[in-house]
Amino acid sequence: GAGVSQTPSNKVTEKGKYVELRCDPISGHTALYWYRQSLGQGPEFLIYFQGTGAADDSGLPNDRFFAVRPEGSVSTLKIQRTERGDSAVYLCASSPLYTATTDTQYFGPGTRLTVL
Amino acid sequence: QKEVEQNSGPLSVPEGAIASLNCTYSDRGSQSFFWYRQYSGKSPELIMSIYSNGDKEDGRFTAQLNKASQYVSLLIRDSQPSDSATYLCAVKPSGGSNYKLTFGKGTLLTVNP
Repeated sequence: GAGVSQTPSNKVTEKGKYVELRCDPISGHTALYWYRQSLGQGPEFLIYFQGTGAADDSGLPNDRFFAVRPEGSVSTLKIQRTERGDSAVYLCASSPLYTATTDTQYFGPGTRLTVL
Repeated sequence: QKEVEQNSGPLSVPEGAIASLNCTYSDRGSQSFFWYRQYSGKSPELIMSIYSNGDKEDGRFTAQLNKASQYVSLLIRDSQPSDSATYLCAVKPSGGSNYKLTFGKGTLLTVNP
């Protein structure tokens, strides 16, 4: 079946602008995650959705970052007043969440954000 | 802060050799361990998961877990040039946040023809 999809694949914006990054999870997966990966680093957790609600947003770096998942499927990560330090690959993952221990997260191709 | 440590490499092995990738973690209560492969410019792809002490084999890949030593490894037998990638170790913490993955920085593996 189809995997996790993310759009756009690349986004170049200017400092101070607003951007939206979209994630379409695997059909039937109830859990959705956003991670951020900087060059030479492993992915870092940003936010976790169980259904429509953000169950854990402790990884969001500051209040310029916000994410929604209004119908429990597609999610949008929103970044206001972008800064050069926001440049990274933003990865979305989803999982079926049958059990917490063995639950496996499947990653999308990512959105490479460049803030000039 | 819960940490996952990996040697960044690069680890270089000849084609056909065994590649050994290592990972240590700080959260003693962690229950779930994953190895992801990431090709340059691509997203992480799950190759192995392991939950119990001991070895778990899947084709040319073997994951090894030692919870007492807080150590997990990945062996790749008969390494191929197509195995050249960054290998990310990921751990799920114990407690209420056992859904989020904590990743190491990854080990870059190069398999030379």
